[in-house]
Amino acid sequence: GQQLNQSPQSMFIQEGEDVSMNCTSSSIFNTWLWYKQDPGEGPVLLIALYKAGELTSNGRLTAQFGITRKDSFLNISASIPSDVGIYFCAGPPSGNTPLVFGKGTRLSVIA
Amino acid sequence: DTGVSQDPRHKITKRGQNVTFRCDPISEHNRLYWYRQTLGQGPEFLTYFQNEAQLEKSRLLSDRFSAERPKGSFSTLEIQRTEQGDSAMYLCASSGGRTGGYNEQFFGPGTRLTVL
Repeated sequence: GQQLNQSPQSMFIQEGEDVSMNCTSSSIFNTWLWYKQDPGEGPVLLIALYKAGELTSNGRLTAQFGITRKDSFLNISASIPSDVGIYFCAGPPSGNTPLVFGKGTRLSVIA
Repeated sequence: DTGVSQDPRHKITKRGQNVTFRCDPISEHNRLYWYRQTLGQGPEFLTYFQNEAQLEKSRLLSDRFSAERPKGSFSTLEIQRTEQGDSAMYLCASSGGRTGGYNEQFFGPGTRLTVL
């Protein structure tokens, strides 16, 4: 089935640093979604992208829909301790179908 | 609206017992999804409803699993004769209202199932 590959798997950064992570697919996606999950909780939708090349921000978070439609990127600027968590990319393999998720990027922020 | 809610948040059961979970979606959403998440993995799709109709079931949904959404509002997920491999977080999501399309799915807090 469809698989989304996220990298890196985990990262440790100093508070205040910027963070970049990405997500790739072997096939084209028409929608990319980025979620954040805290321990013991459900994923929270951060950003939704609908058009190739689109760049969308949500506070300190910026996500881009890759022009090949096979990848997406998430950047976090000036990280803070509450950014700790697992970041998932997701998308519908076709149309308005259930989502497939990557395995996540685990972010740790060192104060 | 307070978002998607799930009950219970945690469930511990013995192998072979039946369990039932409930999900209340965002009230204006007509689509409701069930996902399962195991440690170190992203959520995996199980099944979804549009209103009361169950539109798709994944291969992960064995015949011991059944889901209903009888009035197109809340949904239940039942697992019969639980096995240790059923231990996971069961997540519910909803979508399809005035804000955002079907792809923007909003998740509940999940039900953590432990089968002993």
